[in-house]
Amino acid sequence: AQTVTQSQPEMSVQEAETVTLSCTYDTSENNYYLFWYKQPPSRQMILVIRQEAYKQQNATENRFSVNFQKAAKSFSLKISDSQLGDTAMYFCAFMKLIGNQFYFGTGTSLTVIP
Amino acid sequence: DVKVTQSSRYLVKRTGEKVFLECVQDMDHENMFWYRQDPGLGLRLIYFSYDVKMKEKGDIPEGYSVSREKKERFSLILESASTNQTSMYLCASSGPGQGPQPQHFGDGTRLSIL
Repeated sequence: AQTVTQSQPEMSVQEAETVTLSCTYDTSENNYYLFWYKQPPSRQMILVIRQEAYKQQNATENRFSVNFQKAAKSFSLKISDSQLGDTAMYFCAFMKLIGNQFYFGTGTSLTVIP
Repeated sequence: DVKVTQSSRYLVKRTGEKVFLECVQDMDHENMFWYRQDPGLGLRLIYFSYDVKMKEKGDIPEGYSVSREKKERFSLILESASTNQTSMYLCASSGPGQGPQPQHFGDGTRLSIL
């Protein structure tokens, strides 16, 4: 079975600063996909960034980047130049290569402080 | 853009009632999912479906059933609602394609069982 662990239930960051959210996972699969989702307060959950496990290069999307360490089974999300609109619950998710089932972590609630 | 629509944002029902939560997607996606989201537990998969009339149990199917009579619609049924089913319910869909296909989420239904 796959498990995803987010060890930081809550975090805060000053506006314009950088913050890193941690995620670790456990799997026996060699190829898989990893995602970070963002759920703003009372709003829809949306995809932030994705990473294929077979790619060495860390994915980036504007101010969002990941630090993917396959051997350590670690997939952290870095948010640069934090903005008030980044305040949200962030979920890390694992997806096997075959099939479409996701396994989610318990989430990290991030607050950006003005 | 993919649109996943859940029929109700808020719903209040009584113990023992049969409850229907409806979800419709407009992108002809094969895969549809029902999760419940609880604080500290993240998203837990209840049921999913890969095709019309097909369903698979997720991690917590007890007390729930689903129906997928049409490709665009996936219904979650609480056969006899109980207070421990008070939760946020999220529907998601995903389609075929090259590489990892993210799940697209609806706005969620906050269900209270009294």
